[in-house]
Amino acid sequence: GENVEQHPSTLSVQEGDSAVIKCTYSDSASNYFPWYKQELGKRPQLIIDIRSNVGEKKDQRIAVTLNKTAKHFSLHITETQPEDSAVYFCAASTGGSQGNLIFGKGTKLSVKP
Amino acid sequence: NAGVTQTPKFRVLKTGQSMTLLCAQDMNHEYMYWYRQDPGMGLRLIHYSVGEGTTAKGEVPDGYNVSRLKKQNFLLGLESAAPSQTSVYFCASSDWTGNTEAFFGQGTRLTVV
Repeated sequence: GENVEQHPSTLSVQEGDSAVIKCTYSDSASNYFPWYKQELGKRPQLIIDIRSNVGEKKDQRIAVTLNKTAKHFSLHITETQPEDSAVYFCAASTGGSQGNLIFGKGTKLSVKP
Repeated sequence: NAGVTQTPKFRVLKTGQSMTLLCAQDMNHEYMYWYRQDPGMGLRLIHYSVGEGTTAKGEVPDGYNVSRLKKQNFLLGLESAAPSQTSVYFCASSDWTGNTEAFFGQGTRLTVV
């Protein structure tokens, strides 16, 4: 089955710096790669996603890149702000009849003012 | 439009007791998932369903059973609770492709003593 590895497990940056979180996946059939943000005590919420036919996607200060050949994808946050502090999860899914959405172990991002 | 609702929000069980967690969604989604979240372990998929009447095992299915008799409901059962099942449980749902945003419930904090 699918296996998603996520690094680093913790990341501390100064406000205004950039943050990068990296994930690798094992199943070459995976074709959907979402990123979720979870604030303390709350439910995970989607912040950005990318499909296998796209190499990069950007939404304001966040961007995701995908390298299907190498089976890895990354989340980039620019101009970080204290409210970006949270746990971020990457995930991979094959969709279709398989339907399993597998998550990485998460990255705790701390943005210091 | 409530989205995804989990019942109950908190529960304390004694070892060996049984219980059922209910997940209800009002978005007409085909896919539904049950995850457990433990510190440092991310979100681990327990069971999932790709449509009414279907269920499939995820990454950590042992000790749990599920049923999807109605499209809007996905039930997670613990037949004989163990302390190792102390965790926060999240239900999620997504549309028929499985390759779109998964919406999460608010979580159920379960403690087995």
